Amino acid sequence: DGGITQSPKYLFRKEGQNVTLSCEQNLNHDAMYWYRQDPGQGLRLIYYSQIVNDFQKGDIAEGYSVSREKKESFPLTVTSAQKNPTAFYLCASSRDGGEKLFFGSGTQLSVL
Amino acid sequence: SQQGEEDPQALSIQEGENATMNCSYKTSINNLQWYRQNSGRGLVHLILIRSNEREKHSGRLRVTLDTSKKSSSLLITASRAADTASYFCATDDTGFQKLVFGTGTRLLVSP
Repeated sequence: DGGITQSPKYLFRKEGQNVTLSCEQNLNHDAMYWYRQDPGQGLRLIYYSQIVNDFQKGDIAEGYSVSREKKESFPLTVTSAQKNPTAFYLCASSRDGGEKLFFGSGTQLSVL
Repeated sequence: SQQGEEDPQALSIQEGENATMNCSYKTSINNLQWYRQNSGRGLVHLILIRSNEREKHSGRLRVTLDTSKKSSSLLITASRAADTASYFCATDDTGFQKLVFGTGTRLLVSP
């Protein structure tokens, strides 16, 4: 089945720790995105990538980092510089930027 | 930046009734999309309407777009308990090739 896989489903971060969220797609999409969702809120864009080896900051990139070494993969690292990381993180992909997005099932990150 | 603002923030109706949600946005767009999110899950694409279209249908869904007012509405007819979810509009941020999401409408359909 084609789709987007996010892992893990739940993740806990200790003070001062970096954690990495995985996102893999087998839809052969060029564009990939990371969004953050806080309780009862909409989605805010963290980073996006339109092509391999290239990515752009979104609206709330501070404290996060990404890489796009393969078309299928777009991992997100939440660094210790992100002081309020507790949120639901959603990865998405699309054939072309601005077109229909396909979402993963999300990762809930909490702070211990 | 959040481009879209949905209205109302929450809506509670009975099964069989129609549900209408509105979205307002701020800048010129190429298209507007509606997505659905069940609690704790990812978003699912419902429908896309382009800036040169005024109305679009998909099953029990009807979307309208008024670019002069920078607004859109999503109508769900004959609602079912399974329609209970949050609904988001999203607009493409022209020139940036990315979608900007609104704040969402939480719909509760009671049996």
